[in-house]
Amino acid sequence: NAGVTQTPKFRVLKTGQSMTLLCAQDMNHEYMYWYRQDPGMGLRLIHYSVGEGTTAKGEVPDGYNVSRLKKQNFLLGLESAAPSQTSVYFCASSYSLAQAYNEQFFGPGTRLTVL
Amino acid sequence: DAKTTQPTSMDCAEGRAANLPCNHSTISGNEYVYWYRQIHSQGPQYIIHGLKNNETNEMASLIITEDRKSSTLILPHATLRDTAVYYCIVEGTSYDKVIFGPGTSLSVIP
Repeated sequence: NAGVTQTPKFRVLKTGQSMTLLCAQDMNHEYMYWYRQDPGMGLRLIHYSVGEGTTAKGEVPDGYNVSRLKKQNFLLGLESAAPSQTSVYFCASSYSLAQAYNEQFFGPGTRLTVL
Repeated sequence: DAKTTQPTSMDCAEGRAANLPCNHSTISGNEYVYWYRQIHSQGPQYIIHGLKNNETNEMASLIITEDRKSSTLILPHATLRDTAVYYCIVEGTSYDKVIFGPGTSLSVIP
């Protein structure tokens, strides 16, 4: 049981380049989330999904797109990377939207640098 | 959704109890309090959560005041491996407003 995995672990982009971050979970969780974490700060929610084929905006969605074509995968895309998107990106998943059971399981993170 | 405030940093002697406070004065009746921690730059790890009653698991205890405006996470016997940033979040029905603030940086000192 791998839990939540993220690909790649590190990436360096040039301004204007595009890339996709992949998050996969093997816990059959309905709900998945993408966060970003800047130095010395907490996590901010970018987008989330409450099920296969659905996505919704979080606190800081601008400049990102997401897709949830399969229940186990949640993709985060940067169409035209900017230096302001240099950050550590964490994916998470949870079993249920019910608040009593919304423990989130986090992946190890992807460290992205945009030059 | 309610916001939380936590001290920026705390120290605790190894073997002693670590008591981490969190203020959530605007919490509403159907919102849960969740605690996570983040060791170094790893992904956050769930610790415990609660609604009204005090809760305990193998990692920690959670004490929620009767008015639910604040809570305290207790690590009963802190070890060096408990050095981490601890996040208190309040989770309601609007997941677009789930907020992990700066948290409390706990240093466990030998």
